[in-house]
Amino acid sequence: GEQVEQRPPHLSVREGDSAVITCTYTDPNSYYFFWYKQEPGASLQLLMKVFSSTEINEGQGFTVLLNKKDKRLSLNLTAAHPGDSAAYFCAVRDWTGGYKVVFGSGTRLLVSP
Amino acid sequence: GALVYQYPRRTICKSGTSMRMECQAVGFQATSVAWYRQSPQKTFELIALSTVNSAIKYEQNFTQEKFPISHPNLSFSSMTVLNAYLEDRGLYLCGARGQGNTEVFFGKGTRLTVV
Repeated sequence: GEQVEQRPPHLSVREGDSAVITCTYTDPNSYYFFWYKQEPGASLQLLMKVFSSTEINEGQGFTVLLNKKDKRLSLNLTAAHPGDSAAYFCAVRDWTGGYKVVFGSGTRLLVSP
Repeated sequence: GALVYQYPRRTICKSGTSMRMECQAVGFQATSVAWYRQSPQKTFELIALSTVNSAIKYEQNFTQEKFPISHPNLSFSSMTVLNAYLEDRGLYLCGARGQGNTEVFFGKGTRLTVV
């Protein structure tokens, strides 16, 4: 089945720096990709959903890149601020209609002033 | 809009007792419901996937005997953690999807503490 590897597990940056989190997946049938943010003690907040037909997606303060050839998904937080400190999870769903969503192992981001 | 409510939000149970948690979909028909567990400092593990009018499919390391799930209609699902022990503590997340939808809507989770 699908396996999703997420790196790095921990990331510390200074305010204003960029932070890049990467996920690689194994199933070429994967078609839907998601990035979630989880603040301490809270549940998941959807940051962005990406379909395999779109390679670059921009949100507020971040960019998501999808490289289908390399089966790689990345989240780039530009100009990080302390409010971005949280755990981030990628998630991958296949196209086969079974809807199994597999999560990456998570990245704990700390943005210091 | 589509929303998923989970309750209770937090619960504490004694070791060896059982705890039932519920998931309700509002604004859409939850054809499929998945239950996940996030153990402390870990990621989200899929426990089982339930599709209305189909058998519930459990992932490896999770069984119906330990985590019985009910999905009686298109708006409601429940899961019980039987004989809870320390290793069962964590955040239990319900994710629901409607027929033909790509997005999975997650509830805010039920945080289980076992004492």
